[in-house]
Amino acid sequence: DGGITQSPKYLFRKEGQNVTLSCEQNLNHDAMYWYRQDPGQGLRLIYYSQIVNDFQKGDIAEGYSVSREKKESFPLTVTSAQKNPTAFYLCASSIDLTPGLAGDLQETQYFGPGTRLLVL
Amino acid sequence: EDQVTQSPEALRLQEGESSSLNCSYTVSGLRGLFWYRQDPGKGPEFLFTLYSAGEEKEKERLKATLTKKESFLHITAPKPEDSATYLCAVRASGTYKYIFGTGTRLKVLA
Repeated sequence: DGGITQSPKYLFRKEGQNVTLSCEQNLNHDAMYWYRQDPGQGLRLIYYSQIVNDFQKGDIAEGYSVSREKKESFPLTVTSAQKNPTAFYLCASSIDLTPGLAGDLQETQYFGPGTRLLVL
Repeated sequence: EDQVTQSPEALRLQEGESSSLNCSYTVSGLRGLFWYRQDPGKGPEFLFTLYSAGEEKEKERLKATLTKKESFLHITAPKPEDSATYLCAVRASGTYKYIFGTGTRLKVLA
């Protein structure tokens, strides 16, 4: 089955600790994304990567870091500098399609199941 | 600045009571407008992509439409299993960024 996996489902962080959230995709997508979702709010972009070994800051990158060493993987590290890390974290991937030339395929982002990060 | 606003924030419907959700957007050149469904504690699930004004797409009880300023998600004769949060997003031409609205929480009562 093709898709996006995230692990762990739940993650607990202690004060001053860095934690890493895993995101893997086997869809052969070039672009990958990390979002943060807080209750009652939409998805806010943390980082995104258009291609291997390249990534850009999103709207709320402070306190987070990423790497993109492989096409399939885009791990997110929540550092101790992120003072309010409790949230639901979503990873996504996408591929560019040309409308009208992609058959029934539609361009979109595909999301993983999410990781809920809690602070102890 | 690219922006997406969804309304209403929350909507309660009786089973079979049709309604529409609104997504207003401002974007510098639209590459695509996207609708997703999100159940509590899960990742968003893709519903539709709309590319240009006048385009419409349907799936079961859902129909999405697009104008130059807004999109509507019409829900015909909803069932309790349609209860979820519906998210709208846009992607501007020349960028990989998707801009999301805050969603509409739909509750369909039996």
